[in-house]
Amino acid sequence: EIVLTQSPGTLSLSPGERATLSCRASQSVSSSYLAWYQQKPGQAPRLLIYGASSRATGIPDRFSGSGSGTDFTLTISRLEPEDFAVYYCQQYGSSTGTFGQGTKVEIK
Amino acid sequence: QVQLQESGPGLVKPSQTLSLTCTVSGGSISSGDYYWSWIRQPPGKGLEWIGYIYYSGSTYYNPSLKSRVTISVDTSKNQFSLKLSSVTAADTAVYYCARAPPWELLLFDYWGQGTLVTVSS
Repeated sequence: EIVLTQSPGTLSLSPGERATLSCRASQSVSSSYLAWYQQKPGQAPRLLIYGASSRATGIPDRFSGSGSGTDFTLTISRLEPEDFAVYYCQQYGSSTGTFGQGTKVEIK
Repeated sequence: QVQLQESGPGLVKPSQTLSLTCTVSGGSISSGDYYWSWIRQPPGKGLEWIGYIYYSGSTYYNPSLKSRVTISVDTSKNQFSLKLSSVTAADTAVYYCARAPPWELLLFDYWGQGTLVTVSS
């Protein structure tokens, strides 16, 4: 099973700042089958990024993904008030699609 | 736009079977355009994929839960269901249903709102 480790656990930033979230895999993620989801309290996760760098439908371009192999990054260029949430990475290239433990982006 | 809605008991006793149903609207399960999954999230913890089903009834389960999981589909009602047997407190979680395209079986583009199931006597 591929284990995903996200860092940091919590990111404290102000609106307008840049957020950089990391996701490291225990083994190489095949064909960059890496996704990012956003989850707000009491809501279901929302798909943001797939294929490591492709934005899902309707996702603003301030969200970008990068990386390959075992190291992946989600960048939010300028934080909007609605972006404060928990973010999960997920690999979907293996048979069970494991998730990271999440990074909480909170208002500083 | 497709919508998914989970339903079922919010409280289940230890050793019993958890049963949930996901009703899909705005799209047809029998179209074969998607695979349909169950995912869970224990309180304050991360996400765990449970298993998926195709409209034909073909299933695949997470090996960690396989011995206790059954997912079924009712295309006439546009629903699919989850049964998890011999539950313990560790099965307390918010349970989500979600869909994925057939070319990326575990990439979830639409989710239900989730339903909290508590295992307690």
